[in-house]
Amino acid sequence: AQSVTQLDSQVPVFEEAPVELRCNYSSSVSVYLFWYVQYPNQGLQLLLKYLSGSTLVKGINGFEAEFNKSQTSFHLRKPSVHISDTAEYFCAVSDSGGYQKVTFGTGTKLQVIP
Amino acid sequence: KAGVTQTPRYLIKTRGQQVTLSCSPISGHRSVSWYQQTPGQGLQFLFEYFSETQRNKGNFPGRFSGRQFSNSRSEMNVSTLELGDSALYLCASSVDAIYTFGSGTRLTVV
Repeated sequence: AQSVTQLDSQVPVFEEAPVELRCNYSSSVSVYLFWYVQYPNQGLQLLLKYLSGSTLVKGINGFEAEFNKSQTSFHLRKPSVHISDTAEYFCAVSDSGGYQKVTFGTGTKLQVIP
Repeated sequence: KAGVTQTPRYLIKTRGQQVTLSCSPISGHRSVSWYQQTPGQGLQFLFEYFSETQRNKGNFPGRFSGRQFSNSRSEMNVSTLELGDSALYLCASSVDAIYTFGSGTRLTVV
């Protein structure tokens, strides 16, 4: 069975500072990895995905993530955050083949401080 | 193309009543999943339907049920509502493990 761990439930950061949101996963097979963002009172939106190929994945709104197979991590980064990035971020993992059941992490609330 | 549509957007019900929520997936998506989101418990998986069959189920009591129709539209039903059922209910349709979520139904039980 697969699992996802988001170590930080809340991350405060000053505007224009860099941020890293951590995600570690556990799986016995090859995986797909995702980051989703949720703004208040809305559903989740896909931010970026790793399916195969380059381990550095670029997403929308200037976010990127790096797949590290040896450390089973998929951390999300942004070099300079804006107030509008204040939201909750969810990491997710699925098996790359067969029944691709997706498991979501518990979420990290990013609070950007002006 | 049209996204995932959830109706109604907001709902207020009384304890003991039942409620039905609707989800229309993206055209061509055969998989529909439902989640309950609360401040205390976070995002919790309810169930997933694929081609009218329940493919996976989370750890919720039998008061929570769902179904999927031949056009892939899905409904979930909660019977005998409890105060703790107050939550944002999210529906997502998916293909190749990529989820598209609706805006959710905010259920308040009073």
